[in-house]
Amino acid sequence: LAKTTQPISMDSYEGQEVNITCSHNNIATNDYITWYQQFPSQGPRFIIQGYKTKVTNEVASLFIPADRKSSTLSLPRVSLSDTAVYYCLAPLGGGYNKLIFGAGTRLAVHP
Amino acid sequence: SQTIHQWPATLVQPVGSPLSLECTVEGTSNPNLYWYRQAAGRGLQLLFYSVGIGQISSEVPQNLSASRPQDRQFILSSKKLLLSDSGFYLCASSRGSGNTEAFFGQGTRLTVV
Repeated sequence: LAKTTQPISMDSYEGQEVNITCSHNNIATNDYITWYQQFPSQGPRFIIQGYKTKVTNEVASLFIPADRKSSTLSLPRVSLSDTAVYYCLAPLGGGYNKLIFGAGTRLAVHP
Repeated sequence: SQTIHQWPATLVQPVGSPLSLECTVEGTSNPNLYWYRQAAGRGLQLLFYSVGIGQISSEVPQNLSASRPQDRQFILSSKKLLLSDSGFYLCASSRGSGNTEAFFGQGTRLTVV
């Protein structure tokens, strides 16, 4: 199982860039890395997904080094509304269907 | 994208009463379906997942069961609720085959009293 490890919590201020790193040392060759955002009393929401190098969308960027043992979610210029829990997900390889979430990183953005 | 319908949004049930939570999916066929539970301030605990009709995998021994009577319907049940069954229950769907982009319902907050 590609177990993931993230910081439990992070603090930031409005307008700053936030980088959340996830380690997944045992990730399988074919696995994608996926990040989710969850607000209180809501289901998680897909943010971004990548396999290697860099992926960018309108919400975030995802950096994945060549060894793929870690990944970094980058949130540019955060606002108070970015306060949420962020989950990194790297499932079993070989087309396995089980999606297990780790504890996530609780990001608090301050004025 | 997929839409997950999950109801009710909140539920208060007495200890020992039965439970049935239903989840239906739109916008895809033959999805993988999941039930998660989340305690206050904690992460998501995978309870059950299903890769097809009638195929249920249980992750955690507990007082709950799941069924998938139709391709896009997933039901979470209990014959007798315990206080420890309280929590936030989430249904999710993905395209399967290792695809990790999942879509979640709005959740049901269950309080067992």
